[in-house]
Amino acid sequence: AQRVTQPEKLLSVFKGAPVELKCNYSYSGSPELFWYVQYSRQRLQLLLRHISRESIKGFTADLNKGETSFHLKKPFAQEEDSAMYYCALNIDSGNTGKLIFGQGTTLQVKP
Amino acid sequence: DAGVIQSPRHEVTEMGQEVTLRCKPISGHNSLFWYRQTMMRGLELLIYFNNNVPIDDSGMPEDRFSAKMPNASFSTLKIQPSEPRDSAVYFCASSLGQTNTEAFFGQGTRLTVV
Repeated sequence: AQRVTQPEKLLSVFKGAPVELKCNYSYSGSPELFWYVQYSRQRLQLLLRHISRESIKGFTADLNKGETSFHLKKPFAQEEDSAMYYCALNIDSGNTGKLIFGQGTTLQVKP
Repeated sequence: DAGVIQSPRHEVTEMGQEVTLRCKPISGHNSLFWYRQTMMRGLELLIYFNNNVPIDDSGMPEDRFSAKMPNASFSTLKIQPSEPRDSAVYFCASSLGQTNTEAFFGQGTRLTVV
């Protein structure tokens, strides 16, 4: 079955500490993965996608097909990173772009 | 472009009443999605359309839920009759589809059924 799993509902760290938000997926095809972020009182928006292999706001994510993971990492967390983070998988690649999401992880960065 | 526009932003209704949520996708986008967000289940895909045609409605929880997309610039999600367990935030999103699968989300409609 196609599925995205984010095992942590809440991750709390201190400012300056490293952050890793976990995401695992289950998909028989070639995965296209994304991280979306929802800041307080703002709409859900794309943070990064694996095909871009870019760093956005200091965050990176590497696709590991062997472990079927796409963890989101940042070496030094900032207070403004506090938000809800969703990992998403496109299960209709090259067609209509059907996205399914994990349950989300709330990141809380304490001063 | 103002992005994906949803209305109303908040809706409080009594159990048994009909509720209609509305969405205007970004102009030129071919795919439109309806999601439901709850604390317990996160973001669930309810239904999605491509070129105004419903492609997959397997996520619609029950027959009480229905969605339409009469044209490229408008979609509705209807719940009839509504129940307290339908209380959630409902998001609409659109994307270019095949050429670019990035989804752009609306602000959401917070539905409370009492």
